[in-house]
Amino acid sequence: GQQLNQSPQSMFIQEGEDVSMNCTSSSIFNTWLWYKQDPGEGPVLLIALYKAGELTSNGRLTAQFGITRKDSFLNISASIPSDVGIYFCAGHLNNAGNMLTFGGGTRLMVKP
Amino acid sequence: GAGVSQSPSNKVTEKGKDVELRCDPISGHTALYWYRQSLGQGLEFLIYFQGNSAPDKSGLPSDRFSAERTGGSVSTLTIQRTQQEDSAVYLCASSTGDIGITIYFGEGSWLTVV
Repeated sequence: GQQLNQSPQSMFIQEGEDVSMNCTSSSIFNTWLWYKQDPGEGPVLLIALYKAGELTSNGRLTAQFGITRKDSFLNISASIPSDVGIYFCAGHLNNAGNMLTFGGGTRLMVKP
Repeated sequence: GAGVSQSPSNKVTEKGKDVELRCDPISGHTALYWYRQSLGQGLEFLIYFQGNSAPDKSGLPSDRFSAERTGGSVSTLTIQRTQQEDSAVYLCASSTGDIGITIYFGEGSWLTVV
């Protein structure tokens, strides 16, 4: 089946820094989704991307659907402590029914 | 309801006992998913329902795991003869099933097998 490689697996952030993470796939997707999971909670949808090349913002978050359809990135500008958590990318292929493929997650932590 | 509702939110059970986890999807959502997440890990797909049928059960880890969905709504995930390695968060999600789908997660059921 399709595999999603998400990187980095983890990173430390300092308040005010910009953060970038990405997902790559060996094959194309028609939809890319980004979720955030706070400790003890279920993942919450941040941004959905439906078209190759699409660039979408949600507050300090910006995500892009790669032009090749095989990748997507998520940027967080001017990070704040509440940005810590696990971020997941997910891809959907139209002929895969209602199945999503999830990346392994990027864990953001605060620098001590 | 307004969101995906799961119960119980926390369950501690003894090894060897059976456990039932319940998911109430968003009203009108035809697709329902179960995922498992071990501590600090990613999302492990278990099973997916379209209506009451399960086109994909490939993620169920063993025959001790089963799930059903009735009336196109509530789903129950059952784990028989629980083992310590079953300890995890069990997340349910639902979607409308349309093209360009987004899925919405519940808060999870935290299972601890002692």
